[in-house]
Amino acid sequence: DQQVKQNSPSLSVQEGRISILNCDYTNSMFDYFLWYKKYPAEGPTFLISISSIKDKNEDGRFTVFLNKSAKHLSLHIVPSQPGDSAVYFCAASAGTGANNLFFGTGTRLTVIP
Amino acid sequence: DGGITQSPKYLFRKEGQNVTLSCEQNLNHDAMYWYRQDPGQGLRLIYYSQIVNDFQKGDIAEGYSVSREKKESFPLTVTSAQKNPTAFYLCASSIGTHEETQYFGPGTRLLVL
Repeated sequence: DQQVKQNSPSLSVQEGRISILNCDYTNSMFDYFLWYKKYPAEGPTFLISISSIKDKNEDGRFTVFLNKSAKHLSLHIVPSQPGDSAVYFCAASAGTGANNLFFGTGTRLTVIP
Repeated sequence: DGGITQSPKYLFRKEGQNVTLSCEQNLNHDAMYWYRQDPGQGLRLIYYSQIVNDFQKGDIAEGYSVSREKKESFPLTVTSAQKNPTAFYLCASSIGTHEETQYFGPGTRLLVL
């Protein structure tokens, strides 16, 4: 049973526009959320995170929004660049640490030059 | 230059054979993890280790074994009991299991001949 879902397997965006990647979760005990970025033939790299006490966290071109009532988070990338083309995974934790992280299935973002 | 290395990049297993995937980190992290990724699925935790000489089963430990004799090393053995071993295997580490942010290696793709 997938507790973290990324319903869009792929997304294409024009360079310079905004990319919005979505993630839904079912477990109301999740209180910490992370986004990872993965290039082909490489391991995922940590991108940005958010705690449930916040509804927004920003780091440069990347912003994560959390809507606890809807059990939904989104990653906004603006402006999108061709180097952002990768697979993006969201992950969630119930505060019990990294040995209990639940990952989504990933969304492949393609930024078209 | 700190990081996590995994070897080999590709590994072929014959029926009934045990194979061992290597994972080494020089980040001085206490916690290490093994994940499996299958197409269309999120990362699933196989085993994790919080400290040297200690390890715990994850969600899909059957058919796998690990050891943690050194802080830097966390090898994974895929035994002949694992009936569907073809997958992409990712090793990760974190400061401790209380820290959700994990650092991933580049992965090993295991294929069955």
